[in-house]
Amino acid sequence: QITLKESGPPLLKPTQTLTLTCTFSGFSLSSSGVAVGWIRQPPGKALEWLALIYWDDDKRYSPSLKSRLTITKDTSKNEVVLTLTNMDPVDTATYYCALMIRGGKFNYWGQGTLVTVSS
Amino acid sequence: DIQMTQSPSTLSASVGDRVTITCRASQSIGSWLAWYQQKPGKAPKLLISKTSTLESGVPSRFSGSGSGTEFTLTISSLQPDDFATYYCQQYNSLWTFGQGTKVEIK
Repeated sequence: QITLKESGPPLLKPTQTLTLTCTFSGFSLSSSGVAVGWIRQPPGKALEWLALIYWDDDKRYSPSLKSRLTITKDTSKNEVVLTLTNMDPVDTATYYCALMIRGGKFNYWGQGTLVTVSS
Repeated sequence: DIQMTQSPSTLSASVGDRVTITCRASQSIGSWLAWYQQKPGKAPKLLISKTSTLESGVPSRFSGSGSGTEFTLTISSLQPDDFATYYCQQYNSLWTFGQGTKVEIK
């Protein structure tokens, strides 16, 4: 059974750095073709893809947020970590991690974690 | 960057109706398009990949078609469980989602 779960702080102040962890089970991020991505969704708004890391440590970032994002993986811990620097109230959103198995679509999703940015 | 535009933004329909949602890409994406269903407070669920491939367990009343820049998601006979928001997503070049189409009860 494949599961993913996001964890991180529910509340941040402007300018702080967000660190989110995706803990997964049921698959290995060292298997060829596997990747984990992060997607966010502001309240009442659309999904926005942020970043993705492949089994071979290749990484992709949203061009609009690239300067603020870092994605890493710890295969031994079954974790993927996303950091987003210089948080702003517009970054308030539910952040999801999701599994991609060979081919660009996100097959499995975590439940999401709501992050609020407010002074 | 590839932009994805869905229409309509909201669709009011009744149980049993045939429903069609359109997704347009700002440039050709071949067949690299997926559709997701999202219900309030829940994560999106993958319905269709590569334009028309139904994921395991997805009812056959859902279908997808198109290529290049124009795609459609069709629900042949809307069921109560289908009232939700639907997103298209391209994966030809990085990943981009459409703005969503909310299917609500008429």
